Amino acid sequence: DQQVKQNSPSLSVQEGRISILNCDYTNSMFDYFLWYKKYPAEGPTFLISISSIKDKNEDGRFTVFLNKSAKHLSLHIVPSQPGDSAVYFCAASAQNNDMRFGAGTRLTVKP
Amino acid sequence: NAGVTQTPKFQVLKTGQSMTLQCAQDMNHEYMSWYRQDPGMGLRLIHYSVGAGITDQGEVPNGYNVSRSTTEDFPLRLLSAAPSQTSVYFCASSYSFSGSKQETQYFGPGTRLLVL
Repeated sequence: DQQVKQNSPSLSVQEGRISILNCDYTNSMFDYFLWYKKYPAEGPTFLISISSIKDKNEDGRFTVFLNKSAKHLSLHIVPSQPGDSAVYFCAASAQNNDMRFGAGTRLTVKP
Repeated sequence: NAGVTQTPKFQVLKTGQSMTLQCAQDMNHEYMSWYRQDPGMGLRLIHYSVGAGITDQGEVPNGYNVSRSTTEDFPLRLLSAAPSQTSVYFCASSYSFSGSKQETQYFGPGTRLLVL
């Protein structure tokens, strides 16, 4: 069973506009959430994270929002740049050292 | 620092063959893990280790063995390869993984494995 779901396999936005990537989870034991970015032929790289005690975390152009009651988190990228084009993975972890990833969303930012 | 290195980059195996995927890190990280990435499935945790001599199973451990004799190395062994193990394998490491705080994981570049 997929405990972390990214229902949009792809997203295309215009340069300068906002990109919103969504992620849903089912396991209420998850208490830490992360976003990773992956370019082709490379390993994922950490982007931003949020603890379950917060509802928002911001780092430059990247903001992650967490809605625990809806078991939903989202990543906002403002403004989007062509270099942001990559696959974005949502991940969640609980206290049992287990981390679960979503299937990823391919973001394309058009110049 | 080289970070997390993986060898080989690409491997073709026949069904039933065995092989070891190598992973090494030079950041003195305690936590290391192996994932496989399949289309539409994201990354799935195979095995992980919280320190030398300590390993545990992740979400999809069947068909794989691991050991952690040193802090630096965490090899993944396929005992008898099957076509279902065709995938891209990523090794990752982090300083720690302590309960509610997941330290940033650093991933290697991946090993692409094809089992015929």
